Amino acid sequence: EAEVAQSPRYKITEKSQAVAFWCDPISGHATLYWYRQILGQGPELLVQFQDESVVDDSQLPKDRFSAERLKGVDSTLKIQPAELGDSAMYLCASSLGFGYNEQFFGPGTRLTVL
Amino acid sequence: AQKVTQAQTEISVVEKEDVTLDCVYETRDTTYYLFWYKQPPSGELVFLIRRNSFDEQNEISGRYSWNFQKSTSSFNFTITASQVVDSAVYFCALSEAGDAGNMLTFGGGTRLMVKP
Repeated sequence: EAEVAQSPRYKITEKSQAVAFWCDPISGHATLYWYRQILGQGPELLVQFQDESVVDDSQLPKDRFSAERLKGVDSTLKIQPAELGDSAMYLCASSLGFGYNEQFFGPGTRLTVL
Repeated sequence: AQKVTQAQTEISVVEKEDVTLDCVYETRDTTYYLFWYKQPPSGELVFLIRRNSFDEQNEISGRYSWNFQKSTSSFNFTITASQVVDSAVYFCALSEAGDAGNMLTFGGGTRLMVKP
């Protein structure tokens, strides 16, 4: 069964360092989402791509976060510099595209900032 | 703006008991979709069900059933004869059709603990 892949699964870093997360969506899925899930809360959307274009990044803290999906397939989310409050689970999801809003999630990357 | 509320933060039951997880939503759209996801300790969100706003028919899938009531803006989830493997955090989510991106708005989740 096709799955959304994410790496690394766990990341520990010190504040002010740079971190990057990678996501490979299910093959053929045009829409890719990055969510942040703080412990004890539901996921919140950070950024959404349709193919290589950003559809919604209104909740992305653009002073330190960046995301790209250069070829419209896999995607990278970067934080520079990391802050203590960035400690969370970062989830990637994909769906076939507009009109197909069933999203499939990857295992997530758990980030701890010390 | 859309909002999803899961008032029960934590529920504990003994195996074989039935349990209902509540979900109340707010939206101004007439066309929307409701979802339930399961998040086991491993962290991955597992899709359980999607309903659209025009289909109020209740659904049953094995031990799982869902009760959608537009009149009360609720989409409740019942597990019959609960099992230890049902222990997880369950999220209810909403997607508005008017939202071009189909983004999901999640509730805060309900942690279900099923004890043997």
